[in-house]
Amino acid sequence: GAVVSQHPSWVICKSGTSVKIECRSLDFQATTMFWYRQFPKQSLMLMATSNEGSKATYEQGVEKDKFLINHASLTLSTLTVTSAHPEDSSFYICSARWGQAIGAFFGQGTRLTVV
Amino acid sequence: AQSVTQLGSHVSVSEGALVLLRCNYSSSVPPYLFWYVQYPNQGLQLLLKYTSAATLVKGINGFEAEFKKSETSFHLTKPSAHMSDAAEYFCAVAGDTGTASKLTFGTGTRLQVTL
Repeated sequence: GAVVSQHPSWVICKSGTSVKIECRSLDFQATTMFWYRQFPKQSLMLMATSNEGSKATYEQGVEKDKFLINHASLTLSTLTVTSAHPEDSSFYICSARWGQAIGAFFGQGTRLTVV
Repeated sequence: AQSVTQLGSHVSVSEGALVLLRCNYSSSVPPYLFWYVQYPNQGLQLLLKYTSAATLVKGINGFEAEFKKSETSFHLTKPSAHMSDAAEYFCAVAGDTGTASKLTFGTGTRLQVTL
């Protein structure tokens, strides 16, 4: 299957700093990428949908100024957590699709810990 | 709005026994349905998906699921459990929002396999 790679796999940052997470589609052009957040022992909650070259669409309750999403190319989307706080600590997972494909392929996730 | 209900947050089976993980969906349009597996601190791996073709869908690692419209169900089964099947399993639905890749996940079922 198609490969989606996230970097870094885990990151620890100080409260108040910003962290950038990359999501890359390695062997296909990702026209759409999705960003999810997963709290411990819970399900995945969709944060936003990004289409290449356009602004991301955020789900209700997700702060767009805090979670900056950029999808500048067909193989790369980034999620920047700005002014991170301990409550932002979570597991962030991206997924990517191409064209009108059904379903999406997921990255391996990024564990963010804010101290 | 589309939704998924997974009955049983935790299922325990003996090695070699039948695995049955339950999933019921709600969708205003013919749904696309997915089962994903997640190992600790990893992303999601697609086990199988239903896209309105055959109602019995075979996936990887010996798993299969049957789409039953009358019961709005998409239960996941495997005839004989293996220790390596121990993981978190997520059922997901798509299609209700105009895109076949914007997934809504269930709360997950943790499968434990005992000797």
